[in-house]
Amino acid sequence: KAGVTQTPRYLIKTRGQQVTLSCSPISGHRSVSWYQQTPGQGLQFLFEYFSETQRNKGNFPGRFSGRQFSNSRSEMNVSTLELGDSALYLCASSLSATEDYEQYFGPGTRLTVT
Amino acid sequence: LAKTTQPISMDSYEGQEVNITCSHNNIATNDYITWYQQFPSQGPRFIIQGYKTKVTNEVASLFIPADRKSSTLSLPRVSLSDTAVYYCLASSNTGKLIFGQGTTLQVKP
Repeated sequence: KAGVTQTPRYLIKTRGQQVTLSCSPISGHRSVSWYQQTPGQGLQFLFEYFSETQRNKGNFPGRFSGRQFSNSRSEMNVSTLELGDSALYLCASSLSATEDYEQYFGPGTRLTVT
Repeated sequence: LAKTTQPISMDSYEGQEVNITCSHNNIATNDYITWYQQFPSQGPRFIIQGYKTKVTNEVASLFIPADRKSSTLSLPRVSLSDTAVYYCLASSNTGKLIFGQGTTLQVKP
């Protein structure tokens, strides 16, 4: 069974631009979560989608948004990029949006903002 | 405000048992506590998950006291390949998922 895939793996953008990251969950998984990982802040939860609906959201500004499609694939968008948005963005999928958070992570997208 | 706290780093030797404790206050009463392992340039990998008391699988054990204010990941007989960062994950009582800051485990020969 294929794992979680994320595209692109690496991305370089300049301040003020916007970016869209993509995540394809494991087949059959309906829940997709997004995380930001930085050396200073560690792993921080962005949001979770289940059946095309945002179920949960972390403490990030409105510049960070996401969506989920009917095939469970998810995209994350960051508008008006700032230098501090440079991070590894991780996507994780799980079977269902329950308290059983056995999530499977993708390899991440490394975003560098210059 | 819910928060999870772990030691920043730990050292061990091959063949020893390693216990990593995570403190988590104000977590949701009905959510699981999960531990992940992360190697450089990879996403976190699920290790074990529990709700209370003790859970054991083929790679680790997880101990959670009745008050659920902490959890301890136990790795039996570690090897060099267990050198990684270990994270605990809990859900706050407001539904937010909170990772600990990670414990870097260094296993020495």
